[in-house]
Amino acid sequence: DTAVSQTPKYLVTQMGNDKSIKCEQNLGHDTMYWYKQDSKKFLKIMFSYNNKELIINETVPNRFSPKSPDKAHLNLHINSLELGDSAVYFCASSQLQGTKETQYFGPGTRLLVL
Amino acid sequence: SQQGEEDPQALSIQEGENATMNCSYKTSINNLQWYRQNSGRGLVHLILIRSNEREKHSGRLRVTLDTSKKSSSLLITASRAADTASYFCATVSWGKLQFGAGTQVVVTP
Repeated sequence: DTAVSQTPKYLVTQMGNDKSIKCEQNLGHDTMYWYKQDSKKFLKIMFSYNNKELIINETVPNRFSPKSPDKAHLNLHINSLELGDSAVYFCASSQLQGTKETQYFGPGTRLLVL
Repeated sequence: SQQGEEDPQALSIQEGENATMNCSYKTSINNLQWYRQNSGRGLVHLILIRSNEREKHSGRLRVTLDTSKKSSSLLITASRAADTASYFCATVSWGKLQFGAGTQVVVTP
């Protein structure tokens, strides 16, 4: 009965590899987000999708490509991983587009690039 | 740069004491939200206060908002060891939820 789930929870990989992180929400929400939290705990939005459409695309390298097959899923694919990509990636969802409403976060995916 | 900035960065208190943390922000807001993050977990929404509200309560939590000073405070009364976590304020700016760096609270039994 998990609201927002992410897989995998941990991801350790070599520089240059390509990896994907999956996110699913069973709350019936229309909007989903990807955030990156660095080692200093700064949490920054990367992408936002509303009903499978890209709404927010922050200044993120184009090695990062989100994909939303349906409004309950938002996956994040990262090409040519770099050391600086090491962080915790959080998926979130909210009922309405925009940020006037509460966001529900997944447990995070801890990515370590060696 | 971060929209919200929490103060203090870290807070250590004894169980039963109150914990107060502050958040300052830069631009006009529609609402301000507080989240908690336990170690190794995702963020959990605590409370949302709208720009036309000055104070809001939820259980042992009390949030104030002063839009003239662009600041908010979160008070946790009668703290418990389970309140040990990082607390983040978040404001809406340019259609995005922007988080501060958080206040790390440690409550010792």
